[in-house]
Amino acid sequence: DAMVIQNPRYQVTQFGKPVTLSCSQTLNHNVMYWYQQKSSQAPKLLFHYYDKDFNNEADTPDNFQSRRPNTSFCFLDIRSPGLGDAAMYLCATSRVGSGISYNEQFFGPGTRLTVL
Amino acid sequence: RKEVEQDPGPFNVPEGATVAFNCTYSNSASQSFFWYRQDCRKEPKLLMSVYSSGNEDGRFTAQLNRASQYISLLIRDSKLSDSATYLCVVSNYQLIWGAGTKLIIKP
Repeated sequence: DAMVIQNPRYQVTQFGKPVTLSCSQTLNHNVMYWYQQKSSQAPKLLFHYYDKDFNNEADTPDNFQSRRPNTSFCFLDIRSPGLGDAAMYLCATSRVGSGISYNEQFFGPGTRLTVL
Repeated sequence: RKEVEQDPGPFNVPEGATVAFNCTYSNSASQSFFWYRQDCRKEPKLLMSVYSSGNEDGRFTAQLNRASQYISLLIRDSKLSDSATYLCVVSNYQLIWGAGTKLIIKP
């Protein structure tokens, strides 16, 4: 089945120790998103890739970086995690066509990050 | 005013009842509307897209009111398994998420 896969599902890191979360998709969607979601809050969009074009949200801290080496994979790098970065990180994909607004998104199961 | 607003709830509803909740949005140019369902500690999953003419999928009905700038979700004959948080998403080349409405169906 086509899907969005995230690894690892649970990640524990130490304060300030860099961590990388990965996302892969078999849907062949051209847009990939990274969200941060804290308890009882809406998912917060960090950035997204429209094909190879990187789009950073204005309020995304510099501590968060992303890479998309090919259509299928996308990575979230947290350079120096703080206690406030503990959250669920969700990867999503969608197919967007020229002149068409963002379509429905398909989510991976998320990576729950704990910062000690 | 938030761009997308939802009553956080929780809505406590007896099994078999009908429940409805709304989501208001501020950008009148918004083009696409969705309802997602999110179970505790799980990822959001698309429940329904919301079309101008309204749409129905089994026990679920979604409607769009452009004049008053809100979308609604109606759940009939509620089941215990409907307990979840329901998030609305509004987009106009940018996706804006509501914080969700928590629904608890009680036996």
